[in-house]
Parts: sequence; structure tokens; C-alpha cells
Amino acid sequence: AQSVTQLDSHVSVSEGTPVLLRCNYSSSYSPSLFWYVQHPNKGLQLLLKYTSAATLVKGINGFEAEFKKSETSFHLTKPSAHMSDAAEYFCVVSLTGGGNKLTFGTGTQLKVEL
Amino acid sequence: SAVISQKPSRDICQRGTSLTIQCQVDSQVTMMFWYRQQPGQSLTLIATANQGSEATYESGFVIDKFPISRPNLTFSTLTVSNMSPEDSSIYLCSVTLNQETQYFGPGTRLLVL
Repeated sequence: AQSVTQLDSHVSVSEGTPVLLRCNYSSSYSPSLFWYVQHPNKGLQLLLKYTSAATLVKGINGFEAEFKKSETSFHLTKPSAHMSDAAEYFCVVSLTGGGNKLTFGTGTQLKVEL
Repeated sequence: SAVISQKPSRDICQRGTSLTIQCQVDSQVTMMFWYRQQPGQSLTLIATANQGSEATYESGFVIDKFPISRPNLTFSTLTVSNMSPEDSSIYLCSVTLNQETQYFGPGTRLLVL
């Protein structure tokens, strides 16, 4: 079985400050991990993915995530938040690559304040 | 990536009626998925639809309630049958490319009164 826990349902940061969205996973096998973003009234957009290559993964819009097997974590970070980053972020795990069944975390709502 | 469109983008329906949602992809794909996102919640997989075979439903979802068609490699439909207010959700389709990454459509926002 596989599961994902997003530790914070809401995160609020000031524009220009770092962003940290936390995600822990549980998987019996080597997982593939993804971060998706959902802006209000829009579809899901893939931010980045980890599929057993480099543990530090760089995505779009300056986001990156580090796969830490010892901590079973895949936290999402960005050095400097922008107002346009305000959205819902989902951490997602897949056992056999994203092509198959995805299990979504409960989501983290990111708020960016001036 | 893939370009995925869904119709309708939103609808308001009366309880007891049915709504068919269409999903169109700009390239041929083997696997398509349908998800539900209830208000304020995360995404839950309803079923996997492969062309030429019956859809595979997840626990808690049945074919009588959510019949799915997959007539070719670029198109699928999901019907929400005999709707109740509890069916009010965003319904999203997704496709797999290169067996690794799923790309999602924009979603269909359904409100059942």
C-alpha cells in the first residue's frame, strides 16, 4: 500500500520569503513522487517529479524538492515566494511510475502576503 | 505534455438526472483516468479506462453510477447517473505519457441541486 501525508493544510508566507511545503510518504517499494499545483478554478499542473534518478529535483517556476529515503520525505521548496504562487499544492505518490495509480495527499493551501 | 479538454467545463443539474462528461486528448494514449475532487478535498481515483476493455473501478465506485466509455485512443466519457447533491464535485480526466507522468484536464465543475 502507498500513502502520502501533507503535514500542513495551510501555509502562509510573505512575498520574497522562502516556501516550504512538507510531504511524507509511505510505500512498500521504490516510489515515484510528484508535486502538482492547482490554481483557483484551473486544472492540475505538474510542478516536478522524482522517478529514482537524482534525489534533488528541479521543477517549474523555481520550485524544487528533495527525495530523502531515510526520512521518507519529499518536501517542496522555493527560495523566494511570489504572489502568483498562491495555490493548492498536492504531493502525489505512485508505485510504478506516474503512469499507474496515483495516490494524492490532502493538499496544502499556500497563501502569499505582501 | 498532452493537451486535454473537457466538456462541459461546468454544469448545474437537478437531482435524479444524469450528466455525461467528455474528455478529449490531442494524442493517442493507452491509459485514461477519471478522478473526483469533492469540495475542499483532494482527488480520488474513480476508474481507469483503457481502450478496448472494460473500465476498472476503485473501491467505492460502481459502473451503474459512473459508466465510462472509451471508444478510441483519444476520447473518453464519464457519466454521473441518478445524481444527488453529494455528487457535486470537480471531475477530472487524466492521461499517461511515457508511462511516467499523468497530465490532467481542466476539470468539470458539477453542482447538483
